[in-house]
Amino acid sequence: DQQVKQNSPSLSVQEGRISILNCDYTNSMFDYFLWYKKYPAEGPTFLISISSIKDKNEDGRFTVFLNKSAKHLSLHIVPSQPGDSAVYFCAASLRSPARQLTFGSGTQLTVLP
Amino acid sequence: KAGVTQTPRYLIKTRGQQVTLSCSPISGHRSVSWYQQTPGQGLQFLFEYFSETQRNKGNFPGRFSGRQFSNSRSEMNVSTLELGDSALYLCASSLGQGILQETQYFGPGTRLLVL
Repeated sequence: DQQVKQNSPSLSVQEGRISILNCDYTNSMFDYFLWYKKYPAEGPTFLISISSIKDKNEDGRFTVFLNKSAKHLSLHIVPSQPGDSAVYFCAASLRSPARQLTFGSGTQLTVLP
Repeated sequence: KAGVTQTPRYLIKTRGQQVTLSCSPISGHRSVSWYQQTPGQGLQFLFEYFSETQRNKGNFPGRFSGRQFSNSRSEMNVSTLELGDSALYLCASSLGQGILQETQYFGPGTRLLVL
């Protein structure tokens, strides 16, 4: 049972436009959500996070939105740049001291010049 | 600050052998978690260590084990390797000091190929 889902395996966007990556979750006990960017054969790089007590968090070009009632979060990248091309993973952690992250399957973002 | 480091970066083993992977966390981080990434299963949690104690464990067989040393460095061991153990093994560190919502920072990973 996949508790964190990224239903779009790939997304292509023109440079300068907005990229929107989506993530759904099923476990209402998740209370912290993170987005990581990953290149092949490298470890994930942390991008941005959001606590379940918030509905938006911004950091430069990256904004994460959380809709708890819909159990949905999204990552917006504006403006998109060719260097943003990578696989993006959504991850969630439970409301406990445990540090276990549950990951989605990832979305390959390609930003076209 | 130096990031999370993992050694070795690449490893080739044969079925039945055992392997040990090493992870050095970010200075000051006391929690170390291990993840396995495969094309079929994605990124999956193996276990987490804090203060030399395993605090949390994922759904992996007992052939997968780990330990943490007093300097927070961690090792994971896989015994009796199977072809399906071929994967990218990732280590992540975080402060682990009772702050519930912590960010985990990942190392570059160790690519293990089992022949």
